[in-house]
Amino acid sequence: SQQGEEDPQALSIQEGENATMNCSYKTSINNLQWYRQNSGRGLVHLILIRSNEREKHSGRLRVTLDTSKKSSSLLITASRAADTASYFCATDDGLTNFGNEKLTFGTGTRLTIIP
Amino acid sequence: DGGITQSPKYLFRKEGQNVTLSCEQNLNHDAMYWYRQDPGQGLRLIYYSQIVNDFQKGDIAEGYSVSREKKESFPLTVTSAQKNPTAFYLCASSKRQGGSYEQYFGPGTRLTVT
Repeated sequence: SQQGEEDPQALSIQEGENATMNCSYKTSINNLQWYRQNSGRGLVHLILIRSNEREKHSGRLRVTLDTSKKSSSLLITASRAADTASYFCATDDGLTNFGNEKLTFGTGTRLTIIP
Repeated sequence: DGGITQSPKYLFRKEGQNVTLSCEQNLNHDAMYWYRQDPGQGLRLIYYSQIVNDFQKGDIAEGYSVSREKKESFPLTVTSAQKNPTAFYLCASSKRQGGSYEQYFGPGTRLTVT
């Protein structure tokens, strides 16, 4: 089952602009993660935000989490051509408590940065 | 060089044949996972293992089998019972404890069955 659903499915912006992607989920979570996938490659972890956190920053990335709305957003500031990739949110199922929560991935947002 | 390796990168098989995909990690992670990704889709969990000699079915385990005889290795066999085996297969690992839940992914194996 798809826990996370990203919006939009595809996004094209000019280099230097900011890109915002959203993720909605259905059930309670312990944490939400964002991953990036370049075409034909494995996923790379970007950032993790726990359910008791509202905002987190990492370099040009800013993630917010609103547990009341069951949604998260990923903002990439000052985009670069190298940011072109698919971005996925992933939520844990909150059912296991020893550090190996199963992750459920959304369908992703395909981001294209136009030079 | 620490990380996860998957081999081969591309794999072609005839329908009706079983095929085994390799996944090795030297990150000393306890947990390992297999995902399937279809074009334009997210990842779906096939199997996961939290410790050696133990594994659990994920959301789409039918037609697949795994083993976890060593901490470093988690091979996936795609059997002839899997109706639509052509897909991109990703292996991942994560630490068991310590508050670190991120998963580290291998480069993937693209399997084509004709």
